[in-house]
Amino acid sequence: QVQLVESGGGVVQPGRSLRLSCAASGFTFSSYGMHWVRQAPGKGLQWVAVIWYDGGNKFYVDSVEGRFTISRDNSMNTLYLQMNSLRAEDTAVYYCARDPAPIAAGGVYWYFDLWGRGTLVTVSS
Amino acid sequence: IVLTQSPGTLSLSPGERATLSCRASQSISNSFLAWYQQKPGQAPRLLIYGASSRATGIPDTFSGSGSGTDFTLTISRLEPEDFAVYYCQQYGASPITFGQGTRLEIK
Repeated sequence: QVQLVESGGGVVQPGRSLRLSCAASGFTFSSYGMHWVRQAPGKGLQWVAVIWYDGGNKFYVDSVEGRFTISRDNSMNTLYLQMNSLRAEDTAVYYCARDPAPIAAGGVYWYFDLWGRGTLVTVSS
Repeated sequence: IVLTQSPGTLSLSPGERATLSCRASQSISNSFLAWYQQKPGQAPRLLIYGASSRATGIPDTFSGSGSGTDFTLTISRLEPEDFAVYYCQQYGASPITFGQGTRLEIK
């Protein structure tokens, strides 16, 4: 079935690194842009990063620019988020989400038509 | 763009009509506004995009309206499974932003 499944979350000390994965199934992963969106405990949603269907373009929210790297392996139907220099304020549930823009659109639509259930990242000493 | 959702919590009974508001700090271009539903422990679900277009599989009890800075999500007749948290999101300007959510609870 069509789904996204995140993994890789856990408890990590400030300043350390963590890599999240998102396994896609049930659709042609290589045809869609993909995003990471996070939700701090008891808070609302915050967009984190986007990658074009072919990995050609990547953009980040200012607060993670230079620390986080989004990437994808289309042969493995997997999206990644490498998180370095983690801070307490990065504590959140991290969701991967699909952008509905078709390849013909040449970009992304910036909203999300399929989400995973999320993986919790806790940054604490 | 800051999105302010109201009310914070809405208490209604099944069968009633729900009206949720999302107000933007500045005009959202092209009505690039989406609505999502989130239930505890579940992935968010896209309901509405482009302010008024229903996503695939969303029942017609859900409708979106509005333009400029004022947008509304209406659920015409509440079913038990509709009680959840609802978020609006604008994608007309960078960075894309979400509202803080409206919790729809059973009265």
